[in-house]
Amino acid sequence: EVQLAESGGGWVQPGGSLRLSCAASGFNFNNYNMNWVRQAPGKGLEWLSYINAVAITMYYADSVKGRFTISRDNARNSLYLQMNSLRADDTAVYYCARSQLAAFDMWGQGTLVTVSS
Amino acid sequence: QSALTQPASVSGSPGQSITISCTGTSSDVGGYNYVSWYQHHPGKAPKLILYDVTKRSSGLSNRFSGSKSGNTASLTISGLQAEDEADYYCSSYTTSTTWVFGGGTKLTVL
Repeated sequence: EVQLAESGGGWVQPGGSLRLSCAASGFNFNNYNMNWVRQAPGKGLEWLSYINAVAITMYYADSVKGRFTISRDNARNSLYLQMNSLRADDTAVYYCARSQLAAFDMWGQGTLVTVSS
Repeated sequence: QSALTQPASVSGSPGQSITISCTGTSSDVGGYNYVSWYQHHPGKAPKLILYDVTKRSSGLSNRFSGSKSGNTASLTISGLQAEDEADYYCSSYTTSTTWVFGGGTKLTVL
């Protein structure tokens, strides 16, 4: 079955760090660009970051630039998001999403990150 | 990058048609034919329904169609069905080599 599965969410204090993972299965992960997207409670979707298939090119939204780092391990079929200096407004469900040209054609179920003291 | 503008909610009766607009700028919606639309049932994974403005995702019903004029893209759902009730988001590639989503539209099937 073709799927993406996020993990690593949880509760963290403001200023803390968390690393999210996204495990891909059922397709050739090496051939696809990947993204992270989040949805804060009661809010819409927000694109966060992109990484190309060979991990040479990365892009970030201004809201996370300098605090979040996207990476991937093609040998492990895995995508990661290292999140540092977390703030209360980073509280959200975080999704990994596969790129198909300029669209996101497959999504995981999401993992919840709560930033609170 | 500001979010694209969508109506907060739309509604329609079964069998009717509805249209959801998505307004951006010349730096995103107006600058590229890279608008996509997503259906999101809360608690589930978002689902791609249209890409490149008008192209339907594989297996998607032809009740869903897309268009664009200037800086505004639109999603039309014809023959509304109860299972169409969901949140809908537009997205566009931008000149900043980023992507931007709309604020989302809640579709209620009356």
